Amino acid sequence: DADVTQTPRNRITKTGKRIMLECSQTKGHDRMYWYRQDPGLGLRLIYYSFDVKDINKGEISDGYSVSRQAQAKFSLSLESAIPNQTALYFCATSDPLAWDEQFFGPGTRLTVL
Amino acid sequence: AQKVTQAQTEISVVEKEDVTLDCVYETRDTTYYLFWYKQPPSGELVFLIRRNSFDEQNEISGRYSWNFQKSTSSFNFTITASQVVDSAVYFCALSSGGIGNKLVFGAGTILRVKS
Repeated sequence: DADVTQTPRNRITKTGKRIMLECSQTKGHDRMYWYRQDPGLGLRLIYYSFDVKDINKGEISDGYSVSRQAQAKFSLSLESAIPNQTALYFCATSDPLAWDEQFFGPGTRLTVL
Repeated sequence: AQKVTQAQTEISVVEKEDVTLDCVYETRDTTYYLFWYKQPPSGELVFLIRRNSFDEQNEISGRYSWNFQKSTSSFNFTITASQVVDSAVYFCALSSGGIGNKLVFGAGTILRVKS
């Protein structure tokens, strides 16, 4: 079984809808991250969390919110989706005692019409 | 500020050619880590290598090799005898040491290997 899972894997939605992307991990890592990938821009950090009570904004947090429900779960919400949030979204986890190497989920492809 | 530059947007080669993907980084930290990831057409990110700033030894893994040069702030990736299955997007990334480690990614290089 995959260590980092994301649901849904694909989602098409309409402008203005609220969307939640979920991430679960079985690696036992405290640190979790959400990135978005756009063509030609690489991956950019949206939010990150170093433990259940810690939430931090990343490079591009506007229009997004997150919830860290447990060590293993980190959800990303788009309160009112807009077309330029169409992207590939990745969740990742890391262990600071292991060089903070990040382990990525399979990605969620989100399309906002 | 940390920055990773992958100047090659797209590279096309013919199978069996050698190809080098360039990565130049910027950081003021003395402790940092460099990574390469592969993203095949299926979309997942595949970890290839991690190198810390205190280890400048080059590394070879099969057809893959990495050249780390602190003097030029570069961490280049070479694929020898490329194969069609090497076609993917390749990302270089940087994580500085200390509290709040975050990965900063380059824009990626699209590698197309033609048969």
